[in-house]
Amino acid sequence: GNSVTQMEGPVTLSEEAFLTINCTYTATGYPSLFWYVQYPGEGLQLLLKATKADDKGSNKGFEATYRKETTSFHLEKGSVQVSDSAVYFCALNEYSTLTFGKGTMLLVSP
Amino acid sequence: NAGVTQTPKFRVLKTGQSMTLLCAQDMNHEYMYWYRQDPGMGLRLIHYSVGEGTTAKGEVPDGYNVSRLKKQNFLLGLESAAPSQTSVYFCASSPPGRTTYNEQFFGPGTRLTVL
Repeated sequence: GNSVTQMEGPVTLSEEAFLTINCTYTATGYPSLFWYVQYPGEGLQLLLKATKADDKGSNKGFEATYRKETTSFHLEKGSVQVSDSAVYFCALNEYSTLTFGKGTMLLVSP
Repeated sequence: NAGVTQTPKFRVLKTGQSMTLLCAQDMNHEYMYWYRQDPGMGLRLIHYSVGEGTTAKGEVPDGYNVSRLKKQNFLLGLESAAPSQTSVYFCASSPPGRTTYNEQFFGPGTRLTVL
């Protein structure tokens, strides 16, 4: 079956630091890949997505590239802000349902 | 547009009690989903629906039932609540079309505690 593996958190960074959250996946076919973000006390919001190999999704300074050869979709941001503190979920969609990773908490201090 | 709404926001049940969680969306989406979120487990799919009158099991369906009598509503029922069902429940919806590409829109969640 499908699965998504994310690095465990929490990830703690100072403001303006570089962020990488690793995500790898297992799928039988050609899934679409997503990063969702969950701010405290809220539901999930789509952060970015990529639908085929070598696609780069980007939004709000975050980027992730769909790497089929390494089955990865790592999330990066060049300079994090305190307001980026949240839980980040990597997910794949192959058959109209999402399979999520366990989530990575990011804590950014001033 | 309100997007995806969930009722109630919080609920405390005793073991064996029953309840229904309501999800409503005003985006005319065909697909709707129920997830549960537990610490360290991410989100797991309970049941989903690909259209009015249809439902299907997800990864963790046991102990839950669902109904989709109207396109805009998706109900999640617990017939006999157990402490293992203590969780945060999220509803989501997505439009039709090339469904693997489509974003799912999430509600704010319902926090359920079963004593």
